Amino acid sequence: QVQLVESGGGLVKPEGSLRLSCAASGFSFTDYYMSWIRQSPERGLEWIAYISAKNTYIDYADSVKGRFTISRDNAKNSVYLQMSRLRVEDTAVYYCAKGRAGVLNSWGQGTLVTVSS
Amino acid sequence: EIVLTQSSATLSLSPGERATLSCRASQSVNNYLAWYQQKPGQAPRLIIFDASSRATGIPARFSGSGSGTDFTLTISSLESEDFAVYYCQQRQTWPYTFGQGTKLEI
Repeated sequence: QVQLVESGGGLVKPEGSLRLSCAASGFSFTDYYMSWIRQSPERGLEWIAYISAKNTYIDYADSVKGRFTISRDNAKNSVYLQMSRLRVEDTAVYYCAKGRAGVLNSWGQGTLVTVSS
Repeated sequence: EIVLTQSSATLSLSPGERATLSCRASQSVNNYLAWYQQKPGQAPRLIIFDASSRATGIPARFSGSGSGTDFTLTISSLESEDFAVYYCQQRQTWPYTFGQGTKLEI
């Protein structure tokens, strides 16, 4: 069955960096776009980045553009989110998810990122 | 960006009743609207995509309708496991956005 397992969350100071990973299994990884979505009480669900199956298309929400970088390694069935210049408002549960054409049909369990001094 | 507004923050119903949840978009999203269900401590789960198509494994009591700017998720007869938070999401224009959620409570 489809499994998406996020890791790398934790506590980081403002202006710090963190790298999230998502290990995928149970499906043909190279057939799917992968995305990162975050959820916080203040901002709700926010789709922050996606990457196409062959790395051709990447986009970001304005709130993270220039600070976060999504990438994938198809040989390792993994997707990553490099987060830099973190802000307090980036505090959230971060989910990776798979899908096609803007529909997220499987999600990981999430990893908590807390930005605080 | 397209704003999705879910008209009810909370809906209080009983098992066996019919639930009707609404989502309105700030501009047309054609039929590019999905619904997700989220239970406490879990990730969201896809219920409906493209306004009216049920995702794999979703029971027939869930149905979606609408196009353009007004959409509805209907649960024909509530089961205990249906009490959760439901979010709508559009894929018409990036950034893809979610509604603020409707909590369906007993």
